[in-house]
Amino acid sequence: SSELTQDPAVSVALGQTVRITCQGDSLRSYYASWYQQKPGQAPVLVIYGKNNRPSGIPDRFSGSSSGNTASLTITGAQAEDEADYYCNSRDSSGNHLYVFGTGTKVTVL
Amino acid sequence: QVQLVQSGAEVKKPGASVKVSCKASGYTFTSYGISWVRQAPGQGLEWMGWISAYNGNTNYAQKLQGRVTMTTDTSTSTAYMELRSLRSDDTAVYYCARDIIPGVVAPNWFDPWGQGTLVTVSS
Repeated sequence: SSELTQDPAVSVALGQTVRITCQGDSLRSYYASWYQQKPGQAPVLVIYGKNNRPSGIPDRFSGSSSGNTASLTITGAQAEDEADYYCNSRDSSGNHLYVFGTGTKVTVL
Repeated sequence: QVQLVQSGAEVKKPGASVKVSCKASGYTFTSYGISWVRQAPGQGLEWMGWISAYNGNTNYAQKLQGRVTMTTDTSTSTAYMELRSLRSDDTAVYYCARDIIPGVVAPNWFDPWGQGTLVTVSS
């Protein structure tokens, strides 16, 4: 079973702000990264490290962390942000092994 | 530009093996590690493991230990993932993904990704 837990689905009105959370014990020690996946496509990295965006990712995407919870915030959600979002981090074993969260479906209304 | 191109779809019988390739271009292959991730139909992402293209060191997910082998061919800038003793629940799209940070000895964050390879296990 996954060690990173996400809400299955959230919805947001066009132009509003949505926060997606990811909970897990390993997040007390390691940063989460976040991946966006649209139907039929490969995932795309949107946030990594403390709060870094790869080239080409809009600045409406931001990341944060507190305790055992990591968050991805989309400020001013756009229609093209409708997708599945997965967090990812090292697992709690202390080894260099990784685990993905259960995923959150974001619907933009 | 950095690109990962994977091999085509495969259909295998239970108990067989599959080997998926991931050909890299647009960067120095040996400077980055590569992870493999799979996604069963309608399900979430599962990290399978990682290989250093510099020295061949590997980290495998515990549930796949003993069934999976990841290798690289630096002469062709290609990474490979072999999965043995296939079962029906191995049916999935298999992705390769490059580390975003070069020169480290462990996986970090994954970008970019290959286009995916569908592996179907069916009798």
